[in-house]
Amino acid sequence: QVQLVESGGGVVQPGRSLRLSCAASGFTFSSYGMHWVRQAPGKGLEWVAVIWYDGTNKYYIDSVKGRFTISRDNSKNTLFLQINSLRGEDTAVYYCVKQAAAGPLDNWGQGTLVTVSS
Amino acid sequence: DIQMTQSPSTLSASVGDRVTITCRASQSISSWLAWYQQKPGKAPKLLIYKASTLESGVPSRFSGSGSGTEFTLTISSLQPDDFATYYCQHYNGYSWTFGQGTKVEIK
Repeated sequence: QVQLVESGGGVVQPGRSLRLSCAASGFTFSSYGMHWVRQAPGKGLEWVAVIWYDGTNKYYIDSVKGRFTISRDNSKNTLFLQINSLRGEDTAVYYCVKQAAAGPLDNWGQGTLVTVSS
Repeated sequence: DIQMTQSPSTLSASVGDRVTITCRASQSISSWLAWYQQKPGKAPKLLIYKASTLESGVPSRFSGSGSGTEFTLTISSLQPDDFATYYCQHYNGYSWTFGQGTKVEIK
């Protein structure tokens, strides 16, 4: 079965950087688009970024453009999110999510919590 | 950018009730809409995509309808396991936008 396991979260000071990872298994990773979705404490879901199956295209929500970079290593079945210049509003659970062929998000990891605090 | 607006924000209902949640898009999105269920402390779960296609394994009491700018998620007979928060989401290949969520509470 599909498994997505995030890591790399923690408590980070404002202005610092963090790299999240997501180890994927149970499906042909190199065939699917992959996403990061976040959820601030007590708030709703916010889509953050997508990377196409082959890494050729990447799209981001406007509020993270220039600070977040999504990438993938298909040889290692791993998805990444590099987060720079962290802000308080980046505090959230970050989910690694697989995109179904038809477009919706059909498999989610358990999430990793990023807390930005001095 | 396309905005997705759900109503109501909170809904109180009893087991066995028929429940309807509405999602409106700020412009036409054809049928590019999905619905998700999220329980506290858990990751969301895909229920419906392409506005009305039930994801494999999802109970048939869930159904979706609509196209263009107005969509609905209906639970035909609310079960104890259905008390959760529901999100609609538009997707188009370069942007995936969620609604703000609808919490279904026990009445």
